[in-house]
Amino acid sequence: AQKITQTQPGMFVQEKEAVTLDCTYDTSDPSYGLFWYKQPSSGEMIFLIYQGSYDQQNATEGRYSLNFQKARKSANLVISASQLGDSAMYFCAMRLTSGTYKYIFGTGTRLKVLA
Amino acid sequence: ETGVTQTPRHLVMGMTNKKSLKCEQHLGHNAMYWYKQSAKKPLELMFVYNFKEQTENNSVPSRFSPECPNSSHLFLHLHTLQPEDSALYLCASLPGGSTDTQYFGPGTRLTVL
Repeated sequence: AQKITQTQPGMFVQEKEAVTLDCTYDTSDPSYGLFWYKQPSSGEMIFLIYQGSYDQQNATEGRYSLNFQKARKSANLVISASQLGDSAMYFCAMRLTSGTYKYIFGTGTRLKVLA
Repeated sequence: ETGVTQTPRHLVMGMTNKKSLKCEQHLGHNAMYWYKQSAKKPLELMFVYNFKEQTENNSVPSRFSPECPNSSHLFLHLHTLQPEDSALYLCASLPGGSTDTQYFGPGTRLTVL
């Protein structure tokens, strides 16, 4: 069964420091995509970064990078130089690329950046 | 207008009421989604429409009735809801490529009394 696991319900990080949010996934499909979203208190889900299962290099988008370890089935999000505006819920999601339009989400991690 | 919009943003209804949630996107996307987000639970996929055709119904109770008249509009009709249906209902659209991300609306916060 496909599943996304985020084991950290909440995290604190000091402003300007880096933080890693954990995500593990489970699928037997060889082709899939992994996404990270940010959800501020306003409710809207904001796309951050994408990693394909066949991508050789870890994805990076500005201060966001994805530490993709395929053998361990993990796709951790690293936020460098944390800012107060990074305080939000963060969701890891997986999409199978075998023709389905379904996305599977984790339970999320609430990140609080401290001044 | 850009992005995905949802109306209303907040809704309070009694268990005997009938109401509808609306989602609209003018991004030219082919697929549209309804999700339910409850506290401390993963986003629950409810329905998926692709080119106006329903492709997923994730065992959603019949008191939730989706409607997709065209690729730009998606409705969720609500009737005889239960208090446990109180949640944030998110709409999303998808361009269609396998590496594409979904684009989410701001959600409708529903409270069922």
